[in-house]
Amino acid sequence: AQSVTQPDIHITVSEGASLELRCNYSYGATPYLFWYVQSPGQGLQLLLKYFSGDTLVQGIKGFEAEFKRSQSSFNLRKPSVHWSDAAEYFCAVGPRSNDYKLSFGAGTTVTVRA
Amino acid sequence: DAGVTQSPTHLIKTRGQQVTLRCSPKSGHDTVSWYQQALGQGPQFIFQYYEEEERQRGNFPDRFSGHQFPNYSSELNVNALLLGDSALYLCASAVLADSYNEQFFGPGTRLTVL
Repeated sequence: AQSVTQPDIHITVSEGASLELRCNYSYGATPYLFWYVQSPGQGLQLLLKYFSGDTLVQGIKGFEAEFKRSQSSFNLRKPSVHWSDAAEYFCAVGPRSNDYKLSFGAGTTVTVRA
Repeated sequence: DAGVTQSPTHLIKTRGQQVTLRCSPKSGHDTVSWYQQALGQGPQFIFQYYEEEERQRGNFPDRFSGHQFPNYSSELNVNALLLGDSALYLCASAVLADSYNEQFFGPGTRLTVL
Protein backbone atom coordinates (compact mmCIF):
# COMPACT_ATOMS: atom_id res chain seq x y z
CA ALA A 1 0.00 0.00 0.00
CA GLN A 2 1.17 3.50 -0.69
CA SER A 3 2.12 5.83 2.13
CA VAL A 4 3.61 9.28 2.52
CA THR A 5 5.69 10.28 5.54
CA GLN A 6 6.44 13.83 6.56
CA PRO A 7 8.78 13.37 9.54
CA ASP A 8 8.54 16.93 10.81
CA ILE A 9 5.24 17.89 12.39
CA HIS A 10 6.23 21.48 13.09
CA ILE A 11 9.12 23.65 11.91
CA THR A 12 9.94 27.17 13.08
CA VAL A 13 12.16 29.28 10.88
CA SER A 14 13.29 32.90 10.97
CA GLU A 15 12.21 35.22 8.21
CA GLY A 16 14.91 35.29 5.54
CA ALA A 17 16.30 31.90 6.54
CA SER A 18 16.17 28.82 4.35
CA LEU A 19 13.53 26.14 4.70
CA GLU A 20 13.54 22.44 3.92
CA LEU A 21 10.57 20.15 4.41
CA ARG A 22 11.08 16.42 4.17
CA CYS A 23 8.87 13.90 2.40
CA ASN A 24 9.38 10.16 1.98
CA TYR A 25 7.02 7.85 0.17
CA SER A 26 6.37 4.17 -0.18
CA TYR A 27 4.86 3.13 -3.49
CA GLY A 28 4.90 0.20 -5.86
CA ALA A 29 6.38 2.24 -8.68
CA THR A 30 7.58 5.80 -9.01
CA PRO A 31 4.44 7.84 -8.52
CA TYR A 32 3.56 11.35 -9.48
CA LEU A 33 4.67 13.65 -6.63
CA PHE A 34 3.16 16.88 -5.38
CA TRP A 35 3.55 19.55 -2.74
CA TYR A 36 0.52 21.54 -1.59
CA VAL A 37 0.20 24.45 0.83
CA GLN A 38 -2.82 25.14 3.03
CA SER A 39 -3.34 28.45 4.78
CA PRO A 40 -5.99 28.82 7.51
CA GLY A 41 -9.45 28.92 6.00
CA GLN A 42 -8.10 28.20 2.54
CA GLY A 43 -8.15 25.18 0.33
CA LEU A 44 -5.04 23.39 -0.80
CA GLN A 45 -2.90 25.17 -3.36
CA LEU A 46 -0.49 23.30 -5.59
CA LEU A 47 3.11 24.49 -5.17
CA LEU A 48 4.79 22.11 -7.60
CA LYS A 49 4.66 18.63 -9.09
CA TYR A 50 7.03 16.02 -10.46
CA PHE A 51 6.08 13.67 -13.24
CA SER A 52 9.36 12.84 -14.98
CA GLY A 53 12.54 14.38 -16.31
CA ASP A 54 14.68 16.86 -14.39
CA THR A 55 14.65 15.79 -10.75
CA LEU A 56 14.82 19.40 -9.52
CA VAL A 57 11.41 20.97 -9.93
CA GLN A 58 10.62 24.66 -9.68
CA GLY A 59 7.28 25.81 -8.32
CA ILE A 60 5.38 28.91 -7.39
CA LYS A 61 6.29 31.34 -4.61
CA GLY A 62 10.00 30.57 -4.95
CA PHE A 63 9.72 26.92 -3.87
CA GLU A 64 11.62 24.02 -5.39
CA ALA A 65 11.73 20.30 -4.71
CA GLU A 66 14.17 17.54 -5.51
CA PHE A 67 13.16 13.98 -6.35
CA LYS A 68 15.61 11.32 -5.23
CA ARG A 69 14.56 7.90 -6.45
CA SER A 70 17.19 6.04 -4.41
CA GLN A 71 15.88 7.58 -1.20
CA SER A 72 12.17 7.64 -2.17
CA SER A 73 12.20 11.28 -1.17
CA PHE A 74 10.77 14.51 -2.52
CA ASN A 75 11.96 17.31 -0.26
CA LEU A 76 10.71 20.86 -0.57
CA ARG A 77 13.02 23.85 -0.22
CA LYS A 78 12.94 27.61 -0.22
CA PRO A 79 16.13 29.69 0.02
CA SER A 80 14.62 32.62 1.92
CA VAL A 81 11.26 32.43 3.67
CA HIS A 82 8.80 35.28 4.01
CA TRP A 83 6.30 35.76 6.83
CA SER A 84 3.55 34.87 4.34
CA ASP A 85 5.02 31.36 4.00
CA ALA A 86 3.62 30.43 7.42
CA ALA A 87 1.14 27.67 6.60
CA GLU A 88 0.72 23.92 6.54
CA TYR A 89 2.48 21.99 3.82
CA PHE A 90 1.45 18.63 2.45
CA CYS A 91 3.35 16.17 0.32
CA ALA A 92 1.19 13.92 -1.85
CA VAL A 93 1.61 11.05 -4.28
CA GLY A 94 -0.61 9.75 -7.03
CA PRO A 95 -0.51 6.88 -9.49
CA ARG A 96 0.92 7.38 -12.96
CA SER A 97 -2.47 7.68 -14.58
CA ASN A 98 -5.01 10.43 -14.96
CA ASP A 99 -7.16 9.58 -11.99
CA TYR A 100 -6.24 12.38 -9.58
CA LYS A 101 -6.51 10.04 -6.56
CA LEU A 102 -3.93 11.44 -4.18
CA SER A 103 -2.45 10.08 -0.97
CA PHE A 104 -1.28 12.79 1.39
CA GLY A 105 1.19 12.95 4.23
CA ALA A 106 0.11 14.27 7.62
CA GLY A 107 1.56 17.68 6.90
CA THR A 108 4.21 19.98 8.32
CA THR A 109 3.23 23.23 9.99
CA VAL A 110 5.65 26.07 9.30
CA THR A 111 5.91 29.01 11.68
CA VAL A 112 7.91 32.05 10.59
CA ARG A 113 9.35 34.28 13.29
CA ALA A 114 10.38 37.88 12.67
CA ASP B 1 -13.89 32.52 -12.35
CA ALA B 2 -14.95 31.66 -8.79
CA GLY B 3 -12.82 28.53 -8.59
CA VAL B 4 -14.10 25.59 -6.58
CA THR B 5 -16.83 26.59 -4.16
CA GLN B 6 -18.28 24.59 -1.29
CA SER B 7 -21.28 25.02 0.95
CA PRO B 8 -21.92 25.36 3.74
CA THR B 9 -18.72 26.67 5.32
CA HIS B 10 -19.46 25.19 8.70
CA LEU B 11 -21.98 22.65 9.92
CA ILE B 12 -22.86 21.19 13.31
CA LYS B 13 -24.76 17.91 13.56
CA THR B 14 -25.46 15.33 16.23
CA ARG B 15 -24.65 11.65 16.15
CA GLY B 16 -26.99 9.59 14.01
CA GLN B 17 -28.04 12.47 11.81
CA GLN B 18 -27.46 12.75 8.09
CA VAL B 19 -25.61 15.55 6.29
CA THR B 20 -25.25 16.78 2.71
CA LEU B 21 -22.31 18.85 1.56
CA ARG B 22 -22.18 20.61 -1.79
CA CYS B 23 -19.46 21.43 -4.27
CA SER B 24 -19.37 23.47 -7.46
CA PRO B 25 -16.31 22.73 -9.57
CA LYS B 26 -14.14 25.23 -11.34
CA SER B 27 -15.57 26.29 -14.68
CA GLY B 28 -14.66 23.79 -17.41
CA HIS B 29 -13.84 20.96 -14.99
CA ASP B 30 -15.65 17.63 -15.30
CA THR B 31 -14.24 15.55 -12.44
CA VAL B 32 -14.94 16.05 -8.75
CA SER B 33 -13.15 14.32 -5.90
CA TRP B 34 -13.95 14.46 -2.20
CA TYR B 35 -11.44 14.26 0.63
CA GLN B 36 -11.81 14.08 4.41
CA GLN B 37 -9.23 15.94 6.49
CA ALA B 38 -9.34 15.13 10.18
CA LEU B 39 -7.69 17.55 12.60
CA GLY B 40 -3.92 17.29 12.39
CA GLN B 41 -4.03 14.88 9.45
CA GLY B 42 -3.61 15.05 5.73
CA PRO B 43 -6.61 14.71 3.42
CA GLN B 44 -7.93 11.20 2.82
CA PHE B 45 -9.52 10.34 -0.53
CA ILE B 46 -13.21 9.45 -0.22
CA PHE B 47 -14.37 9.07 -3.83
CA GLN B 48 -14.37 10.64 -7.25
CA TYR B 49 -17.16 11.37 -9.71
CA TYR B 50 -17.03 11.68 -13.46
CA GLU B 51 -19.93 11.70 -15.91
CA GLU B 52 -22.32 11.38 -12.97
CA GLU B 53 -20.81 8.05 -11.93
CA GLU B 54 -18.60 7.11 -8.99
CA ARG B 55 -15.32 6.39 -10.70
CA GLN B 56 -13.07 5.55 -7.76
CA ARG B 57 -13.53 5.05 -4.06
CA GLY B 58 -11.20 5.17 -1.09
CA ASN B 59 -11.45 3.18 2.10
CA PHE B 60 -14.65 4.69 3.44
CA PRO B 61 -17.85 2.89 4.51
CA ASP B 62 -21.08 2.93 2.56
CA ARG B 63 -22.41 5.60 4.92
CA PHE B 64 -20.51 7.95 2.63
CA SER B 65 -22.23 8.41 -0.69
CA GLY B 66 -22.25 11.01 -3.38
CA HIS B 67 -23.77 12.30 -6.51
CA GLN B 68 -22.73 14.33 -9.52
CA PHE B 69 -25.21 16.40 -11.46
CA PRO B 70 -25.28 17.16 -15.22
CA ASN B 71 -23.72 20.57 -14.52
CA TYR B 72 -20.77 18.72 -12.87
CA SER B 73 -21.58 19.94 -9.37
CA SER B 74 -21.49 17.31 -6.68
CA GLU B 75 -22.88 16.37 -3.30
CA LEU B 76 -21.39 14.31 -0.51
CA ASN B 77 -23.86 12.59 1.79
CA VAL B 78 -22.98 11.03 5.11
CA ASN B 79 -25.56 8.95 6.96
CA ALA B 80 -25.66 7.85 10.60
CA LEU B 81 -23.04 10.38 11.63
CA LEU B 82 -20.37 9.33 14.11
CA LEU B 83 -18.21 11.54 16.29
CA GLY B 84 -15.26 10.43 14.16
CA ASP B 85 -16.82 11.99 11.08
CA SER B 86 -15.93 15.43 12.44
CA ALA B 87 -13.48 16.83 9.91
CA LEU B 88 -12.85 19.31 7.13
CA TYR B 89 -14.34 17.98 3.90
CA LEU B 90 -12.55 19.14 0.79
CA CYS B 91 -13.79 19.05 -2.76
CA ALA B 92 -11.39 19.10 -5.67
CA SER B 93 -12.08 19.45 -9.36
CA ALA B 94 -10.09 18.79 -12.51
CA VAL B 95 -10.36 17.96 -16.17
CA LEU B 96 -10.02 14.19 -16.37
CA ALA B 97 -8.44 14.16 -19.82
CA ASP B 98 -5.71 16.59 -18.73
CA SER B 99 -3.85 13.93 -16.77
CA TYR B 100 -2.89 15.81 -13.62
CA ASN B 101 -2.66 19.20 -15.26
CA GLU B 102 -3.89 20.58 -12.00
CA GLN B 103 -6.49 19.64 -9.44
CA PHE B 104 -8.07 22.65 -7.72
CA PHE B 105 -9.31 22.42 -4.15
CA GLY B 106 -12.15 24.30 -2.52
CA PRO B 107 -11.90 25.89 0.94
CA GLY B 108 -13.77 23.01 2.53
CA THR B 109 -16.75 22.45 4.79
CA ARG B 110 -16.00 22.08 8.49
CA LEU B 111 -18.32 19.40 9.92
CA THR B 112 -18.63 19.03 13.68
CA VAL B 113 -20.53 16.03 15.05
CA LEU B 114 -21.65 16.31 18.68
